[in-house]
Amino acid sequence: QSALTQPPSASGSPGQSVTISCTGTSSDVGGYNYVSWYQQHPGKAPKLIIYEVSERPSGVPDRFSASKSGNTASLTVSGLQAEDEADYYCSSYAGTNNFDVVFGGGTKLTVL
Amino acid sequence: QLQLQESGPGLVKPSETLSLTCTVSGGSISSSTYYWGWIRQPPGKGLEWIGSIYYSGSTYYNPSLKSRLTISVDTSKNQFSLKLSSMTAADTSVYYCARGTAAFDYWGQGTLVTVSS
Repeated sequence: QSALTQPPSASGSPGQSVTISCTGTSSDVGGYNYVSWYQQHPGKAPKLIIYEVSERPSGVPDRFSASKSGNTASLTVSGLQAEDEADYYCSSYAGTNNFDVVFGGGTKLTVL
Repeated sequence: QLQLQESGPGLVKPSETLSLTCTVSGGSISSSTYYWGWIRQPPGKGLEWIGSIYYSGSTYYNPSLKSRLTISVDTSKNQFSLKLSSMTAADTSVYYCARGTAAFDYWGQGTLVTVSS
């Protein structure tokens, strides 16, 4: 069980778009449509913003979108706002041999 | 509104067993739709899935923790619990409980557990 690979940092100016990648393997990201994304502000619990690759929970702005191609998933934040500055984590079901969930190492998004 | 709340000691000695409980309110832990999980986060680091349990008692554990881990459920109290044995400094983390299977949509606020003598 290896962690998914995310860039440690990303940045953009208000109003711009930024994309964060999440690379796994055919045993996790590439093998299942169960990729999720979480937003975490300092000192707070993570918040689910995307599930099943591209679905948004109720209440999550449509500025957040996501997709998957092969073993890499991507989260795009459009129309960046100051409150989007946070850590973002991807995760994937990885149940080839057993129920398993793996997380990415996280990406710190800075709004310039 | 579903709420989850972790409870347990904030300090554990090396080699001891950590016991944490997650109390669920605003909904039933016996819902057939969801698993209930534990996730941890070392200070300044990323998230790690610890394990998950179904209300029936079926459990799934992170392979790297499996030998030290027990997760149980008490439907009468609407709670589920974690026991992690042989604690070391590397287990120092914020421990979260959450609802979900492959995606966790409701989280507790987290509880910091420090391993130190």
